[in-house]
Amino acid sequence: GNSVTQMEGPVTLSEEAFLTINCTYTATGYPSLFWYVQYPGEGLQLLLKATKADDKGSNKGFEATYRKETTSFHLEKGSVQVSDSAVYFCALSRDNTDKLIFGTGTRLQVFP
Amino acid sequence: SQTIHQWPATLVQPVGSPLSLECTVEGTSNPNLYWYRQAAGRGLQLLFYSVGIGQISSEVPQNLSASRPQDRQFILSSKKLLLSDSGFYLCAWSGTGERTQYFGPGTRLTVL
Repeated sequence: GNSVTQMEGPVTLSEEAFLTINCTYTATGYPSLFWYVQYPGEGLQLLLKATKADDKGSNKGFEATYRKETTSFHLEKGSVQVSDSAVYFCALSRDNTDKLIFGTGTRLQVFP
Repeated sequence: SQTIHQWPATLVQPVGSPLSLECTVEGTSNPNLYWYRQAAGRGLQLLFYSVGIGQISSEVPQNLSASRPQDRQFILSSKKLLLSDSGFYLCAWSGTGERTQYFGPGTRLTVL
């Protein structure tokens, strides 16, 4: 079946450090891939997305590249800020009903 | 622009009491609508989705139900709450034929 696997958290970084959050997926066909971010006590916000192989999604300094050969969609940011502290969810959508399959989420904590 | 609303924002209910959570979307027509639950410290579980008025699909058998009485209104209900129903409930929408979902602010439900 379709699934998404994310690295365990929490990820703890100092401000201005480089961030990588790993995400791999299992799916048939050609899924769309997403990263959502959830700040404490809030709903999920779409951070970025990619709809086909080799696409790079980017937003607010975050990037992720759709790698079909490694079935991965790792999230990266060159210099994190304290305000980036949140839970990050990787997700895929495969069929026409647009149902999202989420990973378990990775908590990021950034300290000054 | 499109917006999605959920209410109430927080709710504390006794075991065995009924539940009604409401979600409305503005600025779009005939959206796909979704209910998710997020248990404490865990990922998101899709509960129901709807592609049109009166059309509800259930993903997980449980004591919850959903209804869509109007095009942009989605309601989550229960006749008798269980302790295990506690969690953060998120409503989401997507455009017809589109894979990107947009989430509301969520309702935090505590069943005592």
